[in-house]
Amino acid sequence: TQLLEQSPQFLSIQEGENLTVYCNSSSVFSSLQWYRQEPGEGPVLLVTVVTGGEVKKLKRLTFQFGDARKDSSLHITAAQPGDTGLYLCAGAVAAGNKLTFGGGTRVLVKP
Amino acid sequence: DAGVIQSPRHEVTEMGQEVTLRCKPISGHDYLFWYRQTMMRGLELLIYFNNNVPIDDSGMPEDRFSAKMPNASFSTLKIQPSEPRDSAVYFCASRRGLLASYEQYFGPGTRLTVT
Repeated sequence: TQLLEQSPQFLSIQEGENLTVYCNSSSVFSSLQWYRQEPGEGPVLLVTVVTGGEVKKLKRLTFQFGDARKDSSLHITAAQPGDTGLYLCAGAVAAGNKLTFGGGTRVLVKP
Repeated sequence: DAGVIQSPRHEVTEMGQEVTLRCKPISGHDYLFWYRQTMMRGLELLIYFNNNVPIDDSGMPEDRFSAKMPNASFSTLKIQPSEPRDSAVYFCASRRGLLASYEQYFGPGTRLTVT
């Protein structure tokens, strides 16, 4: 079983501050995705990373895939209240059709 | 495109009753997934289909759970009989293409409460 552990489980910060969410595993993943989920809705894909060491930027969000493809991080610069939500990482093993989701990090950005 | 459609959005039922959740995937998508989300266990994959055929049901918790996909545009998840511990939000998601790295599109979920 491939386990993805996210930390922290909960993060509360003030608008304008930076934050980092971590996703770690002992398994190697062929790809890793980050989703954001808002209350009452399903998760929505933010990014997919597939190459070890890859860094992707989406406006104020920076995603990194570890060199060994066992971990990933999500960094938000100058967080805004609209960044509030549940952030989920999800990994796929080579030749696999399905995703394994982490437990999620709940982020609250206070104005 | 309307996205993945799920019904009902909310379901409250009594223990022992049968519950049927419905999903309409995005047209043209060949993979369909059923997930369950709880605070304690997070988002868990229950079962997934490829071209209407069940591929992996190892996440289905018990024989009380069953899922069908009679055609490319409709799937059901049935719980019979329901129990309070089945209370959760159930999501359906669909995807076009073989690779897990392709985007999954989630529906809005069905919040199930079993009393």
